[in-house]
Amino acid sequence: GAGVSQSPSNKVTEKGKDVELRCDPISGHTALYWYRQSLGQGLEFLIYFQGNSAPDKSGLPSDRFSAERTGGSVSTLTIQRTQQEDSAVYLCASSLETSGGGNEQFFGPGTRLTVL
Amino acid sequence: AQRVTQPEKLLSVFKGAPVELKCNYSYSGSPELFWYVQYSRQRLQLLLRHISRESIKGFTADLNKGETSFHLKKPFAQEEDSAMYYCALSEWMDSSYKLIFGSGTRLLVRP
Repeated sequence: GAGVSQSPSNKVTEKGKDVELRCDPISGHTALYWYRQSLGQGLEFLIYFQGNSAPDKSGLPSDRFSAERTGGSVSTLTIQRTQQEDSAVYLCASSLETSGGGNEQFFGPGTRLTVL
Repeated sequence: AQRVTQPEKLLSVFKGAPVELKCNYSYSGSPELFWYVQYSRQRLQLLLRHISRESIKGFTADLNKGETSFHLKKPFAQEEDSAMYYCALSEWMDSSYKLIFGSGTRLLVRP
């Protein structure tokens, strides 16, 4: 079956503009995650959804970042007033329900964001 | 704070040589550890997890709680093992779940 998909694959934007990144998880996966991978860095956790709710938003770097998930499926990550330091690869992952933790996370191909 | 450290950014070995990618962690509870791999132009994927105690593609990793380590090993490296490897620790707290990743080690296996 289809894996996690993300769009767009690449996004170039000007500083100060808003961007929206989309993630389509694997069908039936109730848990969804966003991570950020900056050059030379590991993956940084941003936010976790269980269904449509996000119990932990502490990983979002600033209030310019927001995310939502509707219908327990598609998620969008929105970055307002982008800054150059937002340039990174944004990865989405999904997994089966994580009550108790430990289910394998399946990753999407990522969206490469470049802020000029 | 929970943390995963991969001290080597790059590890270069010759084909057939043994490989050990180091991973150390700090965690206050009972850790659950993973190794993820990203081959060139492919997406990040799970290689193995410590609770499974299995060998995948000839790789093994043993959790050493005394040394807080989860090093990834393979006795004879192959060229197709060249990739980026990430060690990760899962954290489940206050109804939230996430993976905490190390900064990654690039493995280059030379012919």
